[in-house]
Amino acid sequence: DGGITQSPKYLFRKEGQNVTLSCEQNLNHDAMYWYRQDPGQGLRLIYYSQIVNDFQKGDIAEGYSVSREKKESFPLTVTSAQKNPTAFYLCASSRGLTGELFFGEGSRLTVL
Amino acid sequence: GESVGLHLPTLSVQEGDNSIINCAYSNSASDYFIWYKQESGKGPQFIIDIRSNMDKRQGQRVTVLLNKTVKHLSLQIAATQPGDSAVYFCAERDTGTASKLTFGTGTRLQVTL
Repeated sequence: DGGITQSPKYLFRKEGQNVTLSCEQNLNHDAMYWYRQDPGQGLRLIYYSQIVNDFQKGDIAEGYSVSREKKESFPLTVTSAQKNPTAFYLCASSRGLTGELFFGEGSRLTVL
Repeated sequence: GESVGLHLPTLSVQEGDNSIINCAYSNSASDYFIWYKQESGKGPQFIIDIRSNMDKRQGQRVTVLLNKTVKHLSLQIAATQPGDSAVYFCAERDTGTASKLTFGTGTRLQVTL
């Protein structure tokens, strides 16, 4: 079945460590996105990519980095510079920037 | 900046009743709107969308109404079922500028038996 796969589903990290969240899609979508979700808040855009080898900062990019070496993959690294990294992270993809977003099941990161 | 306005209220509805979830948006240039459903611990799922050249669109048990005059969007769920319990988000976009989707904070729907 076509879809978006995020891993790991749960991740614990010590302060000062970088962690990388995986996102893979087999929908042949050009655009991919990373959102952060905190309790009681809407989804906030971290980074997005329209095509391979290109990506743009979203609204809250500080402390995060991404790469887009392959069309189907858009990993997110949460660096030690992110001051409040504990959150639910959602990856999404769409056919183009104006298309419907399809979401993965999310990755919950907890910093100990 | 422009924003889609939704606090996170909770709507409690009895099974079998109709539900109405509301959303106010502030970007008058927005011309595409989506409703998403998010169950606990999962990613959002697309429910229904509507473009600004329409004021109503129906799906299976769901209807979205758009009032551009007052910048208001609503999601109606007919014969609400326990499986409808979730957080519902509206999102808006100005497709003319290929802008990104802006999400509201969501409304929690609780279906009581």
